[in-house]
Amino acid sequence: AQSVTQPDIHITVSEGASLELRCNYSYGATPYLFWYVQSPGQGLQLLLKYFSGDTLVQGIKGFEAEFKRSQSSFNLRKPSVHWSDAAEYFCAVGAGGGYQKVTFGTGTKLQVIP
Amino acid sequence: GAVVSQHPSWVICKSGTSVKIECRSLDFQATTMFWYRQFPKQSLMLMATSNEGSKATYEQGVEKDKFLINHASLTLSTLTVTSAHPEDSSFYICSALQGVPFSSYNEQFFGPGTRLTVL
Repeated sequence: AQSVTQPDIHITVSEGASLELRCNYSYGATPYLFWYVQSPGQGLQLLLKYFSGDTLVQGIKGFEAEFKRSQSSFNLRKPSVHWSDAAEYFCAVGAGGGYQKVTFGTGTKLQVIP
Repeated sequence: GAVVSQHPSWVICKSGTSVKIECRSLDFQATTMFWYRQFPKQSLMLMATSNEGSKATYEQGVEKDKFLINHASLTLSTLTVTSAHPEDSSFYICSALQGVPFSSYNEQFFGPGTRLTVL
């Protein structure tokens, strides 16, 4: 069975600073990897996904993530954080063809200070 | 992106009563929908996969007689929590799959969630 670990429960960054959220996965085959953002009162929104191909994936809102098979990681990055990025971020791994069986990490809550 | 709605957004009920939560895909048809449960400061846990016109597939440990799922149309799935108890209090989230199942040509769109509190 697949699993996801997000080691950072809570991260605080200053507005304009760079951001990296860590994600490690466990899955026997080639994983389908996702990053979602959850804001209060809103549904989870997909930031980006990796299925195959280029290991550096570009997403919405200026986010990117890099798939590193050797490290079983899929870290999310953003060069300059905006106050509106404050939210909860979930890494997820899918099996069985894309979204059929998605397992979520425990989330990282991002706080942005002015 | 596509829009998924949930109704109600929050509900408070007495112990022993049943509560129905609706999940609708507003601008696309979804043969597959998912129901998740999220505990405070924890991850989303997949409860079941809802397939239009067939029985839902429940994850291990989820009581199918307690959490009744009906996917009667391509745009509506319902989750009924029967004989609710305080331990059923949680945040329930649904999602709808747009695209081709079991392929990379699909995307899962999430509803905003329903906060259930059982007194």
